[in-house]
Amino acid sequence: KAGVTQTPRYLIKTRGQQVTLSCSPISGHRSVSWYQQTPGQGLQFLFEYFSETQRNKGNFPGRFSGRQFSNSRSEMNVSTLELGDSALYLCASSLSSQMNTEAFFGQGTRLTVV
Amino acid sequence: SQQGEEDPQALSIQEGENATMNCSYKTSINNLQWYRQNSGRGLVHLILIRSNEREKHSGRLRVTLDTSKKSSSLLITASRAADTASYFCATAMNRDDKIIFGKGTRLHILP
Repeated sequence: KAGVTQTPRYLIKTRGQQVTLSCSPISGHRSVSWYQQTPGQGLQFLFEYFSETQRNKGNFPGRFSGRQFSNSRSEMNVSTLELGDSALYLCASSLSSQMNTEAFFGQGTRLTVV
Repeated sequence: SQQGEEDPQALSIQEGENATMNCSYKTSINNLQWYRQNSGRGLVHLILIRSNEREKHSGRLRVTLDTSKKSSSLLITASRAADTASYFCATAMNRDDKIIFGKGTRLHILP
């Protein structure tokens, strides 16, 4: 069975631009969570979607947003990019809430803002 | 502030030795999970231990949970070169539907 697929794998953007990252979860998984990983802050929770509804949100500014489609695929968007948004963005899928079950992570999208 | 804090931040041991990593957290939890990450790639789930469990095993991995001390440990026995990775604990708190990751322990297995 295919794993979690994140696209693109690498991305370079300029300050002020916006970016959209995509995540295709494992078939049958309804929960998708997004994380930002940086050397300084570590892994930080962005948001979790379950059945097209945002179930929880981390402490990130409104420039970070996401959505989930009926096929459970998810996208996250970052507008007005800042240099500090450079990070590895990881998506995780699970059958139900990631709080209670094993989560499967994608390989991530490495975003560089210049 | 981080909910989970791993200790040590980095660990180097000889192949074949056992590696122990610790995780401390601040508030009461529903469960605690351990993940492994190989050099900036995706995370791999290792073990989930619930707040009413004290110990769990999976192959060469042994996880303990002490809720009175708000701490957990991950033991890897008979380490191998392939165990070289960063290890993270993640806690799911009772009062919040969020998973909080610690900053991880970087484990390096020497040949």
